Amino acid sequence: DIVMTQSPDSLTVSLGERATINCKSSQSLFSSSDNKNYLAWYQQKPRQPPKLLIYWASTRESGVPDRFSGSGSGTDFTLTISSLQAEDVAVYYCQHYYNTPQTFGQGTKVEVK
Amino acid sequence: QITLEESGPTLVKSTQTLTLTCAFSGFSLTTHGVGVGWIRQPPGKALEWLALIFWDNDKRYSPPLRNRLTITRDTSKNQVVLTMTNMDPVDTATYYCAHRSFSSSGGAFDVWGQGTVVTVSS
Repeated sequence: DIVMTQSPDSLTVSLGERATINCKSSQSLFSSSDNKNYLAWYQQKPRQPPKLLIYWASTRESGVPDRFSGSGSGTDFTLTISSLQAEDVAVYYCQHYYNTPQTFGQGTKVEVK
Repeated sequence: QITLEESGPTLVKSTQTLTLTCAFSGFSLTTHGVGVGWIRQPPGKALEWLALIFWDNDKRYSPPLRNRLTITRDTSKNQVVLTMTNMDPVDTATYYCAHRSFSSSGGAFDVWGQGTVVTVSS
C-alpha cells in the first residue's frame, strides 16, 4: 500500500500570509502513460465533509479560489494557500488515487495566528 | 447536480453487522469511469479509505478490512450498500460515501455525502 505522509501536522499563519503544506508518498504517483500525478487535495472544515480542492496534483476544482495551488510530481507534493483568509481555517488532506487502496495523509490543521 | 446521502443505524453493538446505504442522484453508476467509494473518519482523526465500486462492478477494498467489508450496488435504485461485519467500538466513526469520475476529476472524490455517524457500543 502507498503511505501518504503530510507535514507539518499543524500550521499557524497570519491572515494574508502564505501557508504551505507538504505531502510525500511512499512510491511515485506519476503515470508515464498519461503524464499525470494521481494526487488530490481536500479541505475539511468542522462538522463538514471534505471538499475537493485540487486533482492531478495541480488542477483546481471548479469554483476553488485561485489562492489555492498544488504542485509537485513523483513522490513530493505541495499545497499552497497564497494569502490565507479566515475561511481557510480547516484541516487539509492529501490523497492518492494511483491504485487501491487510495490512502489519505494524516491531515494538516491550518489555524490563524 | 450530483448528490449522495448516507443512511443506516446510528448505534450498533459489538459483533453485529453494519449495513449502510448510499443513495445517489445526478449520475449513473454504469457510466464508464464512474465509481462510488466509502470513507470513514473516527472522531478527531483522519480520513480512512474503505472501499470503492466501479461502473463495471469491479470492487476494491482496504486490505486490513477486506475480510469484513462488502460493497454492492443496485443500479435500478441508484444505491450503493456497504456492509461491515463484526463491528467493534474502534469502528465508531462518521461514514461518508463519495462520487468519483475519471472524466470530471480524474478519479478523485469530487462530491461527498454529508456523512452518517455510527457508534459501536460494547
